[in-house]
Amino acid sequence: DAGVTQSPTHLIKTRGQQVTLRCSPKSGHDTVSWYQQALGQGPQFIFQYYEEEERQRGNFPDRFSGHQFPNYSSELNVNALLLGDSALYLCASSLLSGASYEQYFGPGTRLTVT
Amino acid sequence: QKEVEQNSGPLSVPEGAIASLNCTYSDRGSQSFFWYRQYSGKSPELIMSIYSNGDKEDGRFTAQLNKASQYVSLLIRDSQPSDSATYLCAPIGGSYIPTFGRGTSLIVHP
Repeated sequence: DAGVTQSPTHLIKTRGQQVTLRCSPKSGHDTVSWYQQALGQGPQFIFQYYEEEERQRGNFPDRFSGHQFPNYSSELNVNALLLGDSALYLCASSLLSGASYEQYFGPGTRLTVT
Repeated sequence: QKEVEQNSGPLSVPEGAIASLNCTYSDRGSQSFFWYRQYSGKSPELIMSIYSNGDKEDGRFTAQLNKASQYVSLLIRDSQPSDSATYLCAPIGGSYIPTFGRGTSLIVHP
């Protein structure tokens, strides 16, 4: 049973560039959430996708956008990168119709903006 | 603003002791509560879920929930050096989106 996968593992970008991160959810899950985790902090919610639509959004600017595909996989796009966007980006999958609301994280993508 | 408070630590305990990790939350609508373990440089791993008041035991881990006090804790019995990690508390309210605390760093020394 494949868990949550993310790509790439690491990424180095220059300020002002754009980046796309990818996530495939755990088998049987239909919902993907994205989080940003800065060093020493807990994960901060960016947004959640369900049925190919953004279901909820956290307090992040419009530079952060996403997409969910029919196979439930998802992308996170960040435009006009800032130095402060350097962080670990985590994808978590869950089953919205399930009673537990448990979220399972992928290994993350470490983004460094120089 | 939903707040989740955890002592950042580090909490240092000797091998074999009981480690007690605490968490308070502000959202009275929180119904589900999760504990994640995060090793340095890795992603969070779900280790415990608790949904009703009282205790829930799973192996060496016990989660305790008191909704009236808005308090949830995690006890780790017979702590091992491999338990050294950051433990994140994450309640979920009506939005079904977990709110994470900053985590408590646990160090188990031999």
